[in-house]
Amino acid sequence: GAGVSQSPRYKVAKRGQDVALRCDPISGHVSLFWYQQALGQGPEFLTYFQNEAQLDKSGLPSDRFFAERPEGSVSTLKIQRTQQEDSAVYLCASSLAPRQTYNEQFFGPGTRLTVL
Amino acid sequence: AQSVTQLDSHVSVSEGTPVLLRCNYSSSYSPSLFWYVQHPNKGLQLLLKYTSAATLVKGINGFEAEFKKSETSFHLTKPSAHMSDAAEYFCVVSDPNQAGTALIFGKGTTLSVSS
Repeated sequence: GAGVSQSPRYKVAKRGQDVALRCDPISGHVSLFWYQQALGQGPEFLTYFQNEAQLDKSGLPSDRFFAERPEGSVSTLKIQRTQQEDSAVYLCASSLAPRQTYNEQFFGPGTRLTVL
Repeated sequence: AQSVTQLDSHVSVSEGTPVLLRCNYSSSYSPSLFWYVQHPNKGLQLLLKYTSAATLVKGINGFEAEFKKSETSFHLTKPSAHMSDAAEYFCVVSDPNQAGTALIFGKGTTLSVSS
């Protein structure tokens, strides 16, 4: 069955360039999360959508980071004026319902962003 | 606030020997706890989850974990390691009662398996 997909899988950007990362969640999943995973670290929360509503963006590290999910399915994470510290793997995860007894999230393969 | 501490950044075992990956958590309520595995260039895969139904949780590929509230631990074990178990393992905590709660990951433990 189709899982969470992300594109591109790899992205190299020059410092100052804008990038857009795409996430296709599992069909019918209401909740969508973005995480950032720096080298050698565990993923860290960036932002959360319930359908098209962005309910939590407390993890976004700066105002250069912007995420949207306009139709409640595909989501895009945009990073403006990329900096070297933005280099990381960006993970997308989806879950079926906003409220679950255990909040299981299904992860995509990630986009590895390298900023030169 | 919630947090998890994975006590070992790297564990090395021989094929066929037991695996123990240690995790302690901190939470002000009864949490949901998970173990995820990440193979190189692949997405995170759920190994098992604790949701208060039973303290001993069995997962995929022969892994299991025991929730010990008195020790605030959720250690991952496997009786006999296989070469294919070599990967990064993450202990994860979450609040099961809040909508859209983010998962809180530990820093990970790299498991190496030698023949």
